Amino acid sequence: QSALTQPPSASGTSGQTVTVSCSGTSSNVGSNYVYWYQQLPGTAPKLLIYRNNRRPSGVPDRFSGSKSGTSASLVISGFRSEDEADYYCAAWDTSVGGHYVFGSGTTVTVL
Amino acid sequence: EVLLVQSGPEMKKPGESLRISCKGVGYNFPPYWIGWMRQKPGKGLEWMGIVYPADSDTRYSPSFQGQVTISADKSINTAYLQWNSLKASDSAMYFCARSLTRDDFEIWGQGTLVTVSS
Repeated sequence: QSALTQPPSASGTSGQTVTVSCSGTSSNVGSNYVYWYQQLPGTAPKLLIYRNNRRPSGVPDRFSGSKSGTSASLVISGFRSEDEADYYCAAWDTSVGGHYVFGSGTTVTVL
Repeated sequence: EVLLVQSGPEMKKPGESLRISCKGVGYNFPPYWIGWMRQKPGKGLEWMGIVYPADSDTRYSPSFQGQVTISADKSINTAYLQWNSLKASDSAMYFCARSLTRDDFEIWGQGTLVTVSS
């Protein structure tokens, strides 16, 4: 069972806004930065958002992240077919000596 | 170009030992951490642990503590993930990834597929 909870799936039409939620606890999301990763089929994950809302160089600005309390969200504005992928949130967890936890993952598809 | 290059696919029998590797190319290991992640077929990512090659400081997920050994040799820019006695349930894709702060995995290896079957 993942420490961070995400909906199993989300979908949208081209151009729509798609939101993926991530729910944690006070020992992870509530007290540490949240990260988002995108995994296209058959490939390694890619860092999409770091420190809650920052984009690495090369990540389109249609991807944005936010955090409030023990929840975080990834927003894809102007959804494109090439954004079909699995998305994972993650955060450091300060319980049990400290370790990193991933969310359960959300598969985002185009309608 | 900065890359993490992982060793090739492995096919092993239950009870056998295994060590897979992750070599940093185009940069020096310190001051980066190297983390290891597991992904079973059709499932999500699981963080196994992380090593700081500069001083071999290692942290493990409670789920993997005692099940695997993570290590690194900074002189050859290589990190390792090791099992002493494999189980069928260890069959999965394993990814290594680089992080400056332990939590931003910004460069990933291509993955190593491990299959354990009698």
